[in-house]
Amino acid sequence: AQSVTQPDARVTVSEGASLQLRCKYSYSATPYLFWYVQYPRQGLQLLLKYYSGDPVVQGVNGFEAEFSKSNSSFHLRKASVHWSDSAVYFCAVSLPSSNTDKVVFGTGTRLQVSP
Amino acid sequence: DPKIIQKPKYLVAVTGSEKILICEQYLGHNAMYWYRQSAKKPLEFMFSYSYQKLMDNQTASSRFQPQSSKKNHLDLQITALKPDDSATYFCASSQDLGTGCAETLYFGSGTRLTVL
Repeated sequence: AQSVTQPDARVTVSEGASLQLRCKYSYSATPYLFWYVQYPRQGLQLLLKYYSGDPVVQGVNGFEAEFSKSNSSFHLRKASVHWSDSAVYFCAVSLPSSNTDKVVFGTGTRLQVSP
Repeated sequence: DPKIIQKPKYLVAVTGSEKILICEQYLGHNAMYWYRQSAKKPLEFMFSYSYQKLMDNQTASSRFQPQSSKKNHLDLQITALKPDDSATYFCASSQDLGTGCAETLYFGSGTRLTVL
């Protein structure tokens, strides 16, 4: 079954530092890949998504993610984090042409940006 | 203004009772979903609907029953509530059902259910 793994439950970085949040998926085909963010007391919001083409995809608020087929990964990056980036980040996968019609989410990584 | 409205935001229920969680979306989307998020499990898919038709049900228990009276409504009825049902329930929608394409999900802010 398709699955997505976020190995880091919690990440703390200083404001202005760079960020990488890891995501690995497990499936023989390349799924559609997403990063969502959840701010406190809110629903999830899409940051970016990838399904083909340039492996580096740009998202909102300066976020980008890089797809690696060889590593089955889709890591999220940001060059310089701001305190407002503190949130929970979810990697998600959806299998193309699947009959399951659902997006599977990872367990999430809680990002804390310290001043 | 929020485009996906979930009511109520917080809900406390006693074991064995029944509750209905309300969801309305004003995005003009054709597909709607329910997800559950608890401390013990990651965000978990429950149901998907397309044009008011149930497309997928990944909920093992029949105590969870979605109800769609209009295309932009997808309520969730939960009967015989148990403490393990305590979670935040998120409604989501997408333009169409995500089959063969990378549909973006839009989420409501959730209903936090506590079962005592």
